[in-house]
Amino acid sequence: DAKTTQPPSMDCAEGRAANLPCNHSTISGNEYVYWYRQIHSQGPQYIIHGLKNNETNEMASLIITEDRKSSTLILPHATLRDTAVYYCIVRNLNRDDKIIFGKGTRLHILP
Amino acid sequence: DGGITQSPKYLFRKEGQNVTLSCEQNLNHDAMYWYRQDPGQGLRLIYYSQIVNDFQKGDIAEGYSVSREKKESFPLTVTSAQKNPTAFYLCASIPPLDRSRSSGNTIYFGEGSWLTVV
Repeated sequence: DAKTTQPPSMDCAEGRAANLPCNHSTISGNEYVYWYRQIHSQGPQYIIHGLKNNETNEMASLIITEDRKSSTLILPHATLRDTAVYYCIVRNLNRDDKIIFGKGTRLHILP
Repeated sequence: DGGITQSPKYLFRKEGQNVTLSCEQNLNHDAMYWYRQDPGQGLRLIYYSQIVNDFQKGDIAEGYSVSREKKESFPLTVTSAQKNPTAFYLCASIPPLDRSRSSGNTIYFGEGSWLTVV
């Protein structure tokens, strides 16, 4: 079973910030939060990841709550090309790195 | 250039036949994974392997088999026991864990293989 829960779909107006939530209430101390997105039926594309601190890169920002039980991916200025399925996953980087994807959030960017 | 190569990209299978999907990587990655994706659905883990000659079942292993005889290769066989094999199949790998880094290891994906039963 997936270790994360996400809303099945979200809408966001073009040019606005898209905020995608993820619940990972059973996360353990050494598990990272990763975000990927998938456009059509291509291989998922890496967006960002973090452990405890908030992270930012050229694509997005990742906000992790202090208790680490949830996080939010922020796309600061959404464009039509950001329409995709976004996956939030948690990973325990030990020998048995069983990477489980959930169903993700289908993000629709509205013109 | 290094990467993950899946083949074939499109494959048609008659009912009752076994087929094998190839996944090769030249990234020197230890861990490799196979996922299945049905239309409009997320990725479901079939099998994964952390090291050569070792692999574990994922959430939907029934009707599938794998081998890991070489580090760079992780072929997936869809057997006749898989009752609904038509789907999109993705292979992935991750680099060796670097515990000295504060960041984690990202996941590398192949381009996927479409399998259709006719």
